Amino acid sequence: ETGVTQSPTHLIKTRGQQVTLRCSSQSGHNTVSWYQQALGQGPQFIFQYYREEENGRGNFPPRFSGLQFPNYSSELNVNALELDDSALYLCASSLDRVETQYFGPGTRLLVL
Amino acid sequence: LAKTTQPISMDSYEGQEVNITCSHNNIATNDYITWYQQFPSQGPRFIIQGYKTKVTNEVASLFIPADRKSSTLSLPRVSLSDTAVYYCLVGGFSGGYQKVTFGTGTKLQVIP
Repeated sequence: ETGVTQSPTHLIKTRGQQVTLRCSSQSGHNTVSWYQQALGQGPQFIFQYYREEENGRGNFPPRFSGLQFPNYSSELNVNALELDDSALYLCASSLDRVETQYFGPGTRLLVL
Repeated sequence: LAKTTQPISMDSYEGQEVNITCSHNNIATNDYITWYQQFPSQGPRFIIQGYKTKVTNEVASLFIPADRKSSTLSLPRVSLSDTAVYYCLVGGFSGGYQKVTFGTGTKLQVIP
């Protein structure tokens, strides 16, 4: 059984660009959550997807959007990148909406 | 969202028991408490989860008092490899949405 995987591992973008990050959930998991972790800070909840629908959202602007596919993999899209978007982006999957979340290794995004 | 507070850092000698406390004064009735361990540049790793009283697994114990306004993660006989940041996560399913909050994290340094 494979765990949660994320791609790419690292990414460099410039301010104003758009980025798409990808996540493959653990086998059998139908729920994916995304988090942003700035250096030295705890992860901040962005949103959660359950069976292809958004199931909860943290305090992030609409330029942060997502998708979940029928195979329960997921994408995080960020438009109009800002310098403060530089962070480690974590994806976590769970068997269901309130079950234990298992995290991937993250994607390190640097915005210049 | 329930706000959580943890000590910023703790030091412990190898072989000692370590207790890390998380305060979550405004925890909601259906919120559960989860603890994660995170090493630098890696995703958080699940340690233990509970709702009330005491939970124990092969690596840790979680103590939750009756009022649920705090919780304590207990790590028995720590080793150098337990040096990491430990996060308390409070979250639940309310009104159709998943709401989760990570704490500030406690940096545990295990000393030989």
